[in-house]
Amino acid sequence: DAGVTQSPTHLIKTRGQQVTLRCSPKSGHDTVSWYQQALGQGPQFIFQYYEEEERQRGNFPDRFSGHQFPNYSSELNVNALLLGDSALYLCASSPGQRGNQYFGPGTRLLVL
Amino acid sequence: GDSVTQMEGPVTLSEEAFLTINCTYTATGYPSLFWYVQYPGEGLQLLLKATKADDKGSNKGFEATYRKETTSFHLEKGSVQVSDSAVYFCALGPENYGQNFVFGPGTRLSVLP
Repeated sequence: DAGVTQSPTHLIKTRGQQVTLRCSPKSGHDTVSWYQQALGQGPQFIFQYYEEEERQRGNFPDRFSGHQFPNYSSELNVNALLLGDSALYLCASSPGQRGNQYFGPGTRLLVL
Repeated sequence: GDSVTQMEGPVTLSEEAFLTINCTYTATGYPSLFWYVQYPGEGLQLLLKATKADDKGSNKGFEATYRKETTSFHLEKGSVQVSDSAVYFCALGPENYGQNFVFGPGTRLSVLP
């Protein structure tokens, strides 16, 4: 049984560019949450998707957007990248919005 | 809003030493409490959890007890191993729909042989 998978593993972009990160949830999970983890800090909640809709959102600007597909996989899009967007982006899936969250290995984004 | 405070790291111990990592929280209700572990270069793994007051979560020799009166969820292990070296995160789980997980800043543990 595959766990949560994310792609790509690493990414380098320049300021002003746009990026798309992808996540496939654990089998049987229908909810995907995205987190940003800056170096040396705990994960910060970005948003959560359930039934293809954004259900909750943390304190992140509109440059951060997402999507959930009918197969429950999800994308995180970040527009107009800033240096401060450099971080590890974690995807977590769960069975329902309040279920235990299982994390993927993350995508490390570096903005130059 | 809800928040989690953890003891600052890094924590450095010798193999077989006793481990305590303190965690206290602020919450308006009675959330579930979690400990996650992050090994170098990896994502977070659920270590243990407790869903109500006085519950004890345990896994792989680690344990933590949900103390409502002191709003704490301290992580303990009687004898640490080198392989326990990682960053440990305390977290609040959502109590109601519309809430989300809140993580502490993490505590780095280094265990020396």
